[in-house]
Amino acid sequence: GAVVSQHPSRVICKSGTSVKIECRSLDFQATTMFWYRQFPKQSLMLMATSNEGSKATYEQGVEKDKFLINHASLTLSTLTVTSAHPEDSSFYICSARGPNEKLFFGSGTQLSVL
Amino acid sequence: GENVGLHLPTLSVQEGDNSIINCAYSNSASDYFIWYKQESGKGPQFIIDIRSNMDKRQGQRVTVLLNKTVKHLSLQIAATQPGDSAVYFCAENRAGGYNKLIFGAGTRLAVHP
Repeated sequence: GAVVSQHPSRVICKSGTSVKIECRSLDFQATTMFWYRQFPKQSLMLMATSNEGSKATYEQGVEKDKFLINHASLTLSTLTVTSAHPEDSSFYICSARGPNEKLFFGSGTQLSVL
Repeated sequence: GENVGLHLPTLSVQEGDNSIINCAYSNSASDYFIWYKQESGKGPQFIIDIRSNMDKRQGQRVTVLLNKTVKHLSLQIAATQPGDSAVYFCAENRAGGYNKLIFGAGTRLAVHP
């Protein structure tokens, strides 16, 4: 089946630094990828839709300058959390739309900002 | 971003019993629904899906029921096993544009031996 690889699985950083998370579709091409954020004991909240070769579409309330998304190829989307602060600590999950329009999810990245 | 609910209700069942997890969705224009299972520290895992032109779909040990009149979705798990313990989310596909997937609040399933 289709596999989405997300890296890193866990990252700890100091406040004020930037962190990049990668999402790769390993065996299929994905023109559209999605980025979600999940706080403890809560649901997945859609942050943005990443479109290959064009600008990402952000959900209401999500700062595009804070969460930079780059979808430079059909198999890679990156999310950069810029100037991270403790309130940005969360579980970030990517997904890619694959064969038959189904969505395949990465394994998530736990970000902890000290 | 959109989110439905901020709390995770818990459903506790005995091993071997049937489980029913319910979900209310919000958009009558949604045309595709999926149930996901999420274990701690992992991404969501696809369980079963259903399109809006159907009201029931069965998989292995799982059944999804869709009631469009009241915008309600349920997941039935037969003969629940300890390995079924996880958080379950329903998700609705919002048609149009990039067809984004919006997740419901989630339910924690705890299976007791």
